[in-house]
Amino acid sequence: SAVISQKPSRDICQRGTSLTIQCQVDSQVTMMFWYRQQPGQSLTLIATANQGSEATYESGFVIDKFPISRPNLTFSTLTVSNLSPEDSSIYLCSVESQGVTEAFFGQGTRLTVV
Amino acid sequence: KQEVTQIPAALSVPEGENLVLNCSFTDSAIYNLQWFRQDPGKGLTSLLLIQSSQREQTSGRLNASLDKSSGRSTLYIAASQPGDSATYLCGSRGSTLGRLYFGRGTQLTVWP
Repeated sequence: SAVISQKPSRDICQRGTSLTIQCQVDSQVTMMFWYRQQPGQSLTLIATANQGSEATYESGFVIDKFPISRPNLTFSTLTVSNLSPEDSSIYLCSVESQGVTEAFFGQGTRLTVV
Repeated sequence: KQEVTQIPAALSVPEGENLVLNCSFTDSAIYNLQWFRQDPGKGLTSLLLIQSSQREQTSGRLNASLDKSSGRSTLYIAASQPGDSATYLCGSRGSTLGRLYFGRGTQLTVWP
């Protein structure tokens, strides 16, 4: 199984600022995903991070608000921009590898916007 | 679009009970289904992965079953313990290396 380090584990941010979340995997993985979990809700996919190209966003999520980078096969970042209280959620990265169709998740980042 | 429902939303039981958590999905053309555990404010820990060709998967006190034709999966927890208290999520995958569709989870509390 992949070991995923997600940072920061939590943060409190002022509205209008941005937060960048890092996801580092201990081995090369094929797929990296970013999910959002709003309070009391299930996980919603934000985007698929593509290595060397633009991320693929789900309906309702846009690059200007959630820019994503994936410079190599072990690392990705998600930025949540122009923060508002509605962005207060847990953000999670998930990885999968070719031939191992099992998802592994980071520890999550709990974001509170004040 | 796949819709996943989990019942019950919350469950509170005394230690030692055997439990069944339910997960239903609308599109039976799934590739596999995964059960996770989530502790408060934390990430997801994978418990069991059951492929579409399988009917059951077991790990310790946990047993997951899958019935594709009826669009249902169950997670059976034997001899529950207070340490089992967490939210349990099921996620279905429609294709290899595809995203997961999640239910809202069952919040389990096991009291001593």
